[in-house]
Amino acid sequence: GQQVMQIPQYQHVQEGEDFTTYCNSSTTLSNIQWYKQRPGGHPVFLIQLVKSGEVKKQKRLTFQFGEAKKNSSLHITATQTTDVGTYFCARYNNNDMRFGAGTRLTVKP
Amino acid sequence: DAGVIQSPRHEVTEMGQEVTLRCKPISGHNSLFWYRQTMMRGLELLIYFNNNVPIDDSGMPEDRFSAKMPNASFSTLKIQPSEPRDSAVYFCASSFWQQETQYFGPGTRLLVL
Repeated sequence: GQQVMQIPQYQHVQEGEDFTTYCNSSTTLSNIQWYKQRPGGHPVFLIQLVKSGEVKKQKRLTFQFGEAKKNSSLHITATQTTDVGTYFCARYNNNDMRFGAGTRLTVKP
Repeated sequence: DAGVIQSPRHEVTEMGQEVTLRCKPISGHNSLFWYRQTMMRGLELLIYFNNNVPIDDSGMPEDRFSAKMPNASFSTLKIQPSEPRDSAVYFCASSFWQQETQYFGPGTRLLVL
């Protein structure tokens, strides 16, 4: 199945700075999910986007689904040390579930 | 709800030994997934089941790997014989249906010496 490309692979920010990770696909997606994995932990579901152009917010996190449903982004405003971890996008299409490689976020206090 | 339960949490074994990983999904969930996570290859889907039936095992590395789901509340992933390159964290996840939110277990950290 088609993979989802996720960039950047790593991001190091100063606490209080913003952070964005992007997920891109060459094919149209039926939906996209975002997960967070803390160091030493397991992936935890954050949100699912289904509609073209959809934007959802969870406190300081903003999730977007592209108009063409081929890309998505996760933006964190004013990062905190609790945001540390790896953020994965995941797509389900035609009985095929695939995770992106993830973006590892580190935050310097 | 106790969430997805995996056992053992840690496993250290020697090359050539058989390894069996166990998973109990969340009650009522219809789909169960097995993943492997390594630094080099990231999070890989190995196999998933719908209503206890294997749907896609294209991610299973080779014949040394096998997975079963004898009933709705239990699944196993077996590696026989194990090799050092099998060292990884193995996650089990379940969902109400295959395209819905997945709930991951804590993982089994496997080290093959």
